[in-house]
Amino acid sequence: QKEVEQNSGPLSVPEGAIASLNCTYSDRGSQSFFWYRQYSGKSPELIMSIYSNGDKEDGRFTAQLNKASQYVSLLIRDSQPSDSATYLCAVNSGDSGAGSYQLTFGKGTKLSVIP
Amino acid sequence: DTEVTQTPKHLVMGMTNKKSLKCEQHMGHRAMYWYKQKAKKPPELMFVYSYEKLSINESVPSRFSPECPNSSLLNLHLHALQPEDSALYLCASSQEQGSTDTQYFGPGTRLTVL
Repeated sequence: QKEVEQNSGPLSVPEGAIASLNCTYSDRGSQSFFWYRQYSGKSPELIMSIYSNGDKEDGRFTAQLNKASQYVSLLIRDSQPSDSATYLCAVNSGDSGAGSYQLTFGKGTKLSVIP
Repeated sequence: DTEVTQTPKHLVMGMTNKKSLKCEQHMGHRAMYWYKQKAKKPPELMFVYSYEKLSINESVPSRFSPECPNSSLLNLHLHALQPEDSALYLCASSQEQGSTDTQYFGPGTRLTVL
């Protein structure tokens, strides 16, 4: 059973602060990792993808991956009230022989940015 | 452009009705997915089509019937649904069903079964 674990929150941070979201996964063979943002009643929107150990930055967002620790995180700098949403960690894993992969989602972390 | 479209946006149906959900993408993606999402839960995979062939069926009840008429279109036919099937139904697509492919989601269809 492939598992992805996230702290469900809610995580509350003041406006302008750094929000730190964490995720661990069980399948050591996983090769790609994604963060999706989902506003209430809307569909998931891709925020970041990361494939290699280390940091990947895109604007106010930084994804961090440590495959040895099976850990991926998302940092949001200068948090804004518009960042208030549920953040889903997703890990792509599957059967390399069959070429069949699928996303396993964590339960999501609800982030509230307080003005 | 990473747009996946879904119709209708909202659907209300009775337990004896037959209806269909539609999904379309024009990104040349060869993998398409149906997910079901209940409130405060993550998306739950239902079906995957790869190169227009059913690749994964996650033991979904037969009252849900997927169809992939061509590489751009994905349908989900609904028949004799139960109230517990009420949920947000999400379509997604990716270049292929590979280990590093990114899935892009459509806006979803909010389904209510009375």
